[in-house]
Amino acid sequence: GAGVSQSPRYKVAKRGQDVALRCDPISGHVSLFWYQQALGQGPEFLTYFQNEAQLDKSGLPSDRFFAERPEGSVSTLKIQRTQQEDSAVYLCASSPKAWNTEAFFGQGTRLTVV
Amino acid sequence: AQSVTQLDSHVSVSEGTPVLLRCNYSSSYSPSLFWYVQHPNKGLQLLLKYTSAATLVKGINGFEAEFKKSETSFHLTKPSAHMSDAAEYFCVVSDRNQFYFGTGTSLTVIP
Repeated sequence: GAGVSQSPRYKVAKRGQDVALRCDPISGHVSLFWYQQALGQGPEFLTYFQNEAQLDKSGLPSDRFFAERPEGSVSTLKIQRTQQEDSAVYLCASSPKAWNTEAFFGQGTRLTVV
Repeated sequence: AQSVTQLDSHVSVSEGTPVLLRCNYSSSYSPSLFWYVQHPNKGLQLLLKYTSAATLVKGINGFEAEFKKSETSFHLTKPSAHMSDAAEYFCVVSDRNQFYFGTGTSLTVIP
């Protein structure tokens, strides 16, 4: 497809379960971002990749959160031992350049931890 | 450090009347600024962007924004609201590696 694709769209996890969220960016896009959007809030930065290199992970809230982009294309955000406060929409975005250009967002994965 | 402040959490307008959504930014250098719209259960869609070219930026669906450095503002406007404009709007400032979002403005359009 032409846009950023995220899967699954919805995920319900029991507390303590591990989850993996997938992002397929627009083909050829250099930059990839993960954001967390809590209900009624604006998206908050989690991490940034330039190609396969994770250049910034300062927004990851704890060491339970891990992201990778091993071949510089598809990315996976993994959350270990999920907690209720992890419930949010996780947004992936990609952009064609390394900086100062618009990002194209996927529809997000809504994670609910019960 | 970069940040944005959206001055109104909710704006309500009548269909056919002008829309003004206010945004002030803070940036340590010449910023890139964006407005995104988010409809319910939909992804974020880019409305328009400012990247140090013309200060009046035209976007999709009749929206415009004016970059005013002296006021550190980037307000979003539209001359005539349409019912389909009802959504959440985010003002965003970027540096090289991050996009900093405002808290959003929820726009309601009254028929």
